[in-house]
Amino acid sequence: DIQMTQSPSSLSASVGDRVTITCQASQDISNLLNWYQQKPGKAPKLLIYDASNLETGVPSRFSGSGSGTDFTFTITSLQPEDIATYYCQQYDNFWTFGQGTKVEIK
Amino acid sequence: EVQLLDSGGGLVQPGGSLRLSCAASGFTFSNYAMSWVRQAPGKGLEWVSGVPDNDDRTFYADSVKGRFTISRDTSKNALYLQMNSLRAEDTAVYYCATNIGGRRFDHWGQGTLVTVSS
Repeated sequence: DIQMTQSPSSLSASVGDRVTITCQASQDISNLLNWYQQKPGKAPKLLIYDASNLETGVPSRFSGSGSGTDFTFTITSLQPEDIATYYCQQYDNFWTFGQGTKVEIK
Repeated sequence: EVQLLDSGGGLVQPGGSLRLSCAASGFTFSNYAMSWVRQAPGKGLEWVSGVPDNDDRTFYADSVKGRFTISRDTSKNALYLQMNSLRAEDTAVYYCATNIGGRRFDHWGQGTLVTVSS
C-alpha cells in the first residue's frame, strides 16, 4: 500500500500570508496526486489534479507542484474563506489520502 | 450540473447490515467510474470501494473486503453500497463521488452518516 504523509498536521497563519503544505508518498507516484479542500460539515472539493493542474473555477492563489515522492501545495495569499482542512490523494495504486492539514487564521 | 445525493445512513447494531444509495444526475452515469469514500468522526478520508466506467469489475479497501458490496444500476442512475457485518470502526460519513478516469474525485455527494453502536 502507498502511504501519504502530510505536514504539518495543522497551521495558523494571518490573512495575506503564504501557506505551504507538503505531502510525501511512500514510493514514487510520478505526478499521480490530487489536492482537496474540506470545510467543516461539507464534502471535500477538488482543487488541484495531476499534481499541478488547477481545477476549473478554483482561484489562482491555489497551486501545486512536485513529482515522484515529494509534493507541495501552496496558497499564495491566505483568505478568510480558505479556512479548511486540506488533503493530498494518490492514485498510482488504488486511492490513498494524506491525514490532512488543518489551516486556521491567526 | 452534476448532482450526487447520498442516502440510507442510520444507526445499526454491530453485526448488522445497511444499504447506502447515491442518486446521480446531470451527467452520463455509465461513462463515469464511481467510488465510496468515508470519514470517521474527526478523522481523515478513506477510500472504501469503487467501480470503473463501463466495466463490471469492483474494487475494495482491505478494511471492508468480504463485508461490503458495491453496485450500480445504470437504468436508475444509482450507485449502491451494501454493508454487512458492520463494526464500530465502520462508523463514518459515507460519500459517493465521481472518479473520473479512475484518477480524481471531482464531484461528491453530501454524505450520509452511518453509526454502528449497540
